[in-house]
Amino acid sequence: KAGVTQTPRYLIKTRGQQVTLSCSPISGHRSVSWYQQTPGQGLQFLFEYFSETQRNKGNFPGRFSGRQFSNSRSEMNVSTLELGDSALYLCASSPGLAGSPGEQYFGPGTRLTVT
Amino acid sequence: GENVEQHPSTLSVQEGDSAVIKCTYSDSASNYFPWYKQELGKRPQLIIDIRSNVGEKKDQRIAVTLNKTAKHFSLHITETQPEDSAVYFCAASFPLGDYKLSFGAGTTVTVRA
Repeated sequence: KAGVTQTPRYLIKTRGQQVTLSCSPISGHRSVSWYQQTPGQGLQFLFEYFSETQRNKGNFPGRFSGRQFSNSRSEMNVSTLELGDSALYLCASSPGLAGSPGEQYFGPGTRLTVT
Repeated sequence: GENVEQHPSTLSVQEGDSAVIKCTYSDSASNYFPWYKQELGKRPQLIIDIRSNVGEKKDQRIAVTLNKTAKHFSLHITETQPEDSAVYFCAASFPLGDYKLSFGAGTTVTVRA
């Protein structure tokens, strides 16, 4: 079974631009969660999508949004980029909701640099 | 929402010694506690988990203990080896409507040869 994939792997943007990141979950997984990882801040939860519906949301501004398609692939969008948005963005998929017992499988991440 | 605190943030141990990482959570309804390991440049991977109806779980050199009364859980690594060097994240899941998973800030473990 193919693992979780994320595209692109690296991205450089300038302040004020917007960006869209993509995540393809493991086949059969219905949940996709997004996390922002920065040094010293751990894994900050952005949101979770399950069967095309946003089920949980973290404490991020409205500039961060996402969606999930019928094939469970998910996209995350960040508008009006700020320098502080530079981070590794990880997505993770699981068969059920992320908080239910069982492993979340993480993708390799997209490294976003905002200049 | 759930708040998970993880200590220490960094831990250096001599090869062969034990390492202990402790996490506390705020919501007494939390019922699932996984631990993830992230090696340098790699993605996080689940190494062990425990449910609230169990006090301890062991898998070879790693073990997790849960104290529901005190609302804390710990990861124990015995006979540490260089390949145990990584960042370890604890997490807690609480059923607020849907299950929600909250992660701790991570512990960077360095095993000295």
